[in-house]
Amino acid sequence: NAGVTQTPKFQVLKTGQSMTLQCAQDMNHNSMYWYRQDPGMGLRLIYYSASEGTTDKGEVPNGYNVSRLNKREFSLRLESAAPSQTSVYFCASSSTVGMAIQYFGAGTRLSVL
Amino acid sequence: ILNVEQSPQSLHVQEGDSTNFTCSFPSSNFYALHWYRWETAKSPEALFVMTLNGDEKKKGRISATLNTKEGYSYLYIKGSQPEDSATYLCAFSQGGSEKLVFGKGTKLTVNP
Repeated sequence: NAGVTQTPKFQVLKTGQSMTLQCAQDMNHNSMYWYRQDPGMGLRLIYYSASEGTTDKGEVPNGYNVSRLNKREFSLRLESAAPSQTSVYFCASSSTVGMAIQYFGAGTRLSVL
Repeated sequence: ILNVEQSPQSLHVQEGDSTNFTCSFPSSNFYALHWYRWETAKSPEALFVMTLNGDEKKKGRISATLNTKEGYSYLYIKGSQPEDSATYLCAFSQGGSEKLVFGKGTKLTVNP
């Protein structure tokens, strides 16, 4: 079972470069999420998509954009990377929002120099 | 912004000890409370989702209780084993909000 698949696993960027983090789930889930995890900060929600065709901001959306390409895929884009975006990024999915458990991908470790 | 507090931040126990940690959250407009287990170098995995005041959930040696009126949940581990070493996260959502807000976690280390 693949579950939630994130690519890439690791990435190093220079300040100002752009990149897209990819996420796909094969559980037919309606809702998908992007979190970042920083030391001492726990998981913070960047953006989420409650259903195909909708996206909404989370707690820390600045500097990011998202696309819910279809029901399976939810991508996170950094248009102009900054050192403050150095973090571990997790994608998650759930059958619905709020009450259903979330299934997490393996994470993407991003360093911005 | 909702605030979810977990205590303690970290905990070291000996194998065989029983332990518990706390998650505090706003008591108004409660919707759901989640517990996740997060091992180093892995992804968070769900333990429980609780929605009703007084809920108690159990999975093996791990159990959780929920008090929505006073805004807290306890996670208990009976007879801790080294493989229980992980960070335990709680996350909360309010009715009308589609978002989970995570606490910073309690890092448990079980020494053999």
